Amino acid sequence: RKEVEQDPGPFNVPEGATVAFNCTYSNSASQSFFWYRQDCRKEPKLLMSVYSSGNEDGRFTAQLNRASQYISLLIRDSKLSDSATYLCVVIRRGTYKYIFGTGTRLKVLA
Amino acid sequence: ETGVTQSPTHLIKTRGQQVTLRCSSQSGHNTVSWYQQALGQGPQFIFQYYREEENGRGNFPPRFSGLQFPNYSSELNVNALELDDSALYLCASSPTGGFTEAFFGQGTRLTVV
Repeated sequence: RKEVEQDPGPFNVPEGATVAFNCTYSNSASQSFFWYRQDCRKEPKLLMSVYSSGNEDGRFTAQLNRASQYISLLIRDSKLSDSATYLCVVIRRGTYKYIFGTGTRLKVLA
Repeated sequence: ETGVTQSPTHLIKTRGQQVTLRCSSQSGHNTVSWYQQALGQGPQFIFQYYREEENGRGNFPPRFSGLQFPNYSSELNVNALELDDSALYLCASSPTGGFTEAFFGQGTRLTVV
């Protein structure tokens, strides 16, 4: 079992839709969490950090559930430009390495 | 733009050869990490350098080695290239330590033939 797991998708949604991605992690010692966005053949770019209290940035909301060991990303009012792969990232306590999920591919359709 | 630059952007090498990839970190960042991303996969951690010392290593063989220089730029060296080494190699820089957000360069796409 991988330490960080995501549904690879693809998720095909119409413009304006709300879409949610989940990511589960297996190591309870994980301490930092992020969502990155990666466009085709480009580098990952930080979308948002994920805090225990949850956080929102415009149309994007991230949540962390430590008890169930998952993080989520909600995208409201999807835009064509949201089409990308969304990577879940976890840092385990006592280490410095980012552990990536395989990513969830989103395609927003006109 | 993140301020993290990598060179070259593309590279084709023959199996058995050696390759050096380079990374300039963002100003003010003293930590550099390297990742390998195969097609359709998430990036896999190779190693991290903090103030010129290796600060952690992933499950990669010793033929993957690195350096960090006093200006915090970094190199990734791969010896005895194998076909499976074909991937996008990403460099990420972050401020002190590594628990904060990391910023990635555009990557080097290595093809081994």
